[in-house]
Amino acid sequence: GAGVSQSPRYKVAKRGQDVALRCDPISGHVSLFWYQQALGQGPEFLTYFQNEAQLDKSGLPSDRFFAERPEGSVSTLKIQRTQQEDSAVYLCASSLERGRASGANVLTFGAGSRLTVL
Amino acid sequence: KNEVEQSPQNLTAQEGEFITINCSYSVGISALHWLQQHPGGGIVSLFMLSSGKKKHGRLIATINIQEKHSSLHITASHPRDSAVYICAVGMNYGGSQGNLIFGKGTKLSVKP
Repeated sequence: GAGVSQSPRYKVAKRGQDVALRCDPISGHVSLFWYQQALGQGPEFLTYFQNEAQLDKSGLPSDRFFAERPEGSVSTLKIQRTQQEDSAVYLCASSLERGRASGANVLTFGAGSRLTVL
Repeated sequence: KNEVEQSPQNLTAQEGEFITINCSYSVGISALHWLQQHPGGGIVSLFMLSSGKKKHGRLIATINIQEKHSSLHITASHPRDSAVYICAVGMNYGGSQGNLIFGKGTKLSVKP
């Protein structure tokens, strides 16, 4: 597709359930980012991939969060044993460029996956 | 103190007004991004700039690196400009990290 596609758009989970959120970046985009956006807040960085390599996972809030991008295209963010504080919009963004000044790369964002944990 | 501060947090304007949203940051950056987020979560990248000024239609973004400050201006505002405008900075360090630090956003509402 032309843009970054995320699924599901909405997910309601019971506390303790595992969830998986998918991101399909723009074809050929090297860099992929996951962000977490709580209600009324700006997005916060979770993790970054360059192709299939997870180069930065410093933003993952706990070991219940796991992300992968095994073939360097589609990425999955998995949250195990969900808690209420995990409720947020999870945004994926991709960028064509790679390299050291990643903060200077133009990002294309997906529409996000809104997770509600009851 | 947040590394990226935006002001105002909320802004209501009448159609046609000139609007300014401000962003200040406290870290060395490689670039500053202005993003637009509509209800429902979708984020659109408006500008990425590291110096000077950029213009696209009715939108103008400026940055002053020395003062660590950027502004987003909207001329002849329209109700369809109503959205949350987010400032984000790309960190200026030499790893491969893709970390952006985001402001909390400015919620703009333009009344007809």
